[in-house]
Amino acid sequence: EVQLLESGGGLVQPGGSLRLSCAASGFTFSSYAMKWVRRAPGKGLEWVSSITGGGDKTYYADSVKGRFTVSRDNSKNTLFLQLNSLRAEDTAEYYCAKGHSASPYSAMGVWGQGTAVTVSS
Amino acid sequence: DIVMTQSPDSLAVSLGERATINCKSSQSVLHSSNNKNFLTWYQQKPGQPPKMLFYWASTRESGVPDRFSGSGSGTDFTLTISSLQAEDVAVYYCQQYYSPPFTFGPGTNVDI
Repeated sequence: EVQLLESGGGLVQPGGSLRLSCAASGFTFSSYAMKWVRRAPGKGLEWVSSITGGGDKTYYADSVKGRFTVSRDNSKNTLFLQLNSLRAEDTAEYYCAKGHSASPYSAMGVWGQGTAVTVSS
Repeated sequence: DIVMTQSPDSLAVSLGERATINCKSSQSVLHSSNNKNFLTWYQQKPGQPPKMLFYWASTRESGVPDRFSGSGSGTDFTLTISSLQAEDVAVYYCQQYYSPPFTFGPGTNVDI
């Protein structure tokens, strides 16, 4: 069974940092692009970042570019999202999702349960 | 950036009736390389992660009931629930994966 399990969320002060992880199982991790999507309270879904299966290409929403960094460790079947210079507007549930292929130009067929990030003083 | 819009923002449908959600992209998401629309539909119920319903605009994901259908091409797309069931109460989103940023529509809230 394909599973994604996020961790690393929590309460952080503005300007602080967090590192989110997404542990994957049940599929050949390196063969698929992975994505991060968030949903802020009372808002809709927002795509945050994507990374190719090999990890050689990354993509970011303008709202997080320069502050967030996506990476992956294919030997450990784990996806990461480093969140720096956090702002109140980054408060959201963060989901990792599996692409349909190694390409970032793919739909998201499997989602994790999410991890909550709250940015507040 | 490709801007995705949805209509209506919300709708209330009686059990067993049809629900129709429209999605429009600011530019075509039909790729000439494979003649496919890079458009997907998701359903999100309260307290749950999103669930993919369709990819390539009209290819139903495994396990999705056939009362759901996806259609459209280019810039105009439709998600139809032919006979609404209680478990279909959710927010529905379209998303383009044609070019980054891979933008979502604002969502349509479906209620009974």
